[in-house]
Amino acid sequence: DAGITQSPRHKVTETGTPVTLRCHQTENHRYMYWYRQDPGHGLRLIHYSYGVKDTDKGEVSDGYSVSRSKTEDFLLTLESATSSQTSVYFCAISVGGRETQYFGPGTRLLVL
Amino acid sequence: ILNVEQSPQSLHVQEGDSTNFTCSFPSSNFYALHWYRWETAKSPEALFVMTLNGDEKKKGRISATLNTKEGYSYLYIKGSQPEDSATYLCAFSSPSGNTPLVFGKGTRLSVIA
Repeated sequence: DAGITQSPRHKVTETGTPVTLRCHQTENHRYMYWYRQDPGHGLRLIHYSYGVKDTDKGEVSDGYSVSRSKTEDFLLTLESATSSQTSVYFCAISVGGRETQYFGPGTRLLVL
Repeated sequence: ILNVEQSPQSLHVQEGDSTNFTCSFPSSNFYALHWYRWETAKSPEALFVMTLNGDEKKKGRISATLNTKEGYSYLYIKGSQPEDSATYLCAFSSPSGNTPLVFGKGTRLSVIA
């Protein structure tokens, strides 16, 4: 299995509070991704990174920001959480943008 | 905007039945087609990656074919078992090195014992 961890694995928070999710990899892969999983929508890309300090928006980036200050860590921040951001968040990594992605275990976030 | 379509959306089969489902993708600007298996409460796991027209890949009772000229791939499961119950995702990648995979919404398979 690819060495990808996500923390926390579960979180309950209140509307309006900031939340940061962490993805950590030990594979030294260049690309990292954040997705959210919602019923009827499959996986939707939030943001991705193609190198340290290099990030780009995905399909559903509004309300989210990311940072990548070192190869192994990719942080997803919800500046002011809303109930619509209740979801399961998956991190993924890949060697290149067009190559197979490997997924972390997911973080279940509930915004009350 | 690239569109990857999967059909059917969901499928119920009896244990022992064979089944197949489809992934449709743009036939131009193709690099690879990926299949993933995604069990409930787990994370997606890569099954196959196919790059050449006519490619066939097999893993146990699961196999996949690829037609890049017409833009479709089939995933086949022979003799379905309850443990095959999962969502099967396909994803398209283009030659552009920086463009992430485009995922379909998946086919949810339930195998009834």
